[in-house]
Amino acid sequence: EAGVAQSPRYKIIEKRQSVAFWCNPISGHATLYWYQQILGQGPKLLIQFQNNGVVDDSQLPKDRFSAERLKGVDSTLKIQPAKLEDSAVYLCASRHSVAANEKLFFGSGTQLSVL
Amino acid sequence: AQKITQTQPGMFVQEKEAVTLDCTYDTSDPSYGLFWYKQPSSGEMIFLIYQGSYDQQNATEGRYSLNFQKARKSANLVISASQLGDSAMYFCAMREGPGGGYQKVTFGTGTKLQVIP
Repeated sequence: EAGVAQSPRYKIIEKRQSVAFWCNPISGHATLYWYQQILGQGPKLLIQFQNNGVVDDSQLPKDRFSAERLKGVDSTLKIQPAKLEDSAVYLCASRHSVAANEKLFFGSGTQLSVL
Repeated sequence: AQKITQTQPGMFVQEKEAVTLDCTYDTSDPSYGLFWYKQPSSGEMIFLIYQGSYDQQNATEGRYSLNFQKARKSANLVISASQLGDSAMYFCAMREGPGGGYQKVTFGTGTKLQVIP
């Protein structure tokens, strides 16, 4: 079974530039999460999708971050314009969501450096 | 208020010894679950163990066990017979909310475990 795919693996940009990350969850997983993990901290939920609908985006800085999951499968997270404090690893996770004990499966993450 | 609290930023344990990593949580939802994940320096998130709020027995998975004390709202991870490969960051996480895909999963700040030969 293929895992959660994320790309790119690394990205270096200058502040005020834009960047986009892509995630393809495990086939059949209806729930998709984007987390931001700043170095030395725990993952912070940015946005959660159930199929192509947003379940929770309360911690997404909507003035600069946007995300979509148009067909309920893969998803894109965009930052425009980027700030220095956006330097972090962006983790995508998916979950089957039927059973309560279903764990999250994580991708390898995209490490973003904003200079 | 923090949903998940991990009060130990760093821990050391001697190889082959047991270690307990602390986790306390805060929720008013009667149905919830606790996860533990391991994150080695490579960055991948590895699922270790799960405990549901209605589970009667503490969860165990090989060398990992979860000391679940519901009244105290704690879900400590116990690693027995530590190995050098156990050196990593460990995160406690909680799922809560309505059923299915609407459940939110919140992570703690993590504990860095270092196993000493």
